[in-house]
Amino acid sequence: QQQVKQSPQSLIVQKGGISIINCAYENTAFDYFPWYQQFPGKGPALLIAIRPDVSEKKEGRFTISFNKSAKQFSLHIMDSQPGDSATYFCAATIASGTYKYIFGTGTRLKVLA
Amino acid sequence: NAGVTQTPKFRVLKTGQSMTLLCAQDMNHEYMYWYRQDPGMGLRLIHYSVGEGTTAKGEVPDGYNVSRLKKQNFLLGLESAAPSQTSVYFCASSSGQPGNQPQHFGDGTRLSIL
Repeated sequence: QQQVKQSPQSLIVQKGGISIINCAYENTAFDYFPWYQQFPGKGPALLIAIRPDVSEKKEGRFTISFNKSAKQFSLHIMDSQPGDSATYFCAATIASGTYKYIFGTGTRLKVLA
Repeated sequence: NAGVTQTPKFRVLKTGQSMTLLCAQDMNHEYMYWYRQDPGMGLRLIHYSVGEGTTAKGEVPDGYNVSRLKKQNFLLGLESAAPSQTSVYFCASSSGQPGNQPQHFGDGTRLSIL
């Protein structure tokens, strides 16, 4: 029940296209869902996050869509650029009362120029 | 602006050897974490600390020990290295709980156990 399932494992998108990465969770107590972006040789960095009281959050070209009833959330990267090529991790946590994330297994995104 | 600094960046050990990975943060963060990253398995929490002098087990603590004697430092020890501990190790810190404050990661230590 603590798992966060992430798909796809890898993704290739043409420049200007839309990249979509999906995550599903089981624990209904999760109430904070961040996405982290990791470039080769670097540590992950927070990209965008959402709480379940909203169904969508947008920051620039990055959007999280959240479906509470389906227990799913997804990251959409609009107008994908080669500089977006990285590994993306979704995560989930309980905002209060715990000190840890449960991370998905990661999606390696390659955007072709 | 150093942020989170991990040393060493690379290390090769022989089975049975011991070593300590050092994590240092200069952001005065209370919370610190050690993760391991393996292909297809994402980031898994080894141990974490919610303040100086405190430590707690994460998902995969076996074979590792930690210490947080100073607020800015979090040490990860391998007492008797095993090939299964070959991985990339990341340290992270945050000023608050995961749901309220982001975790700031170092650039990792690549560890190979032969």
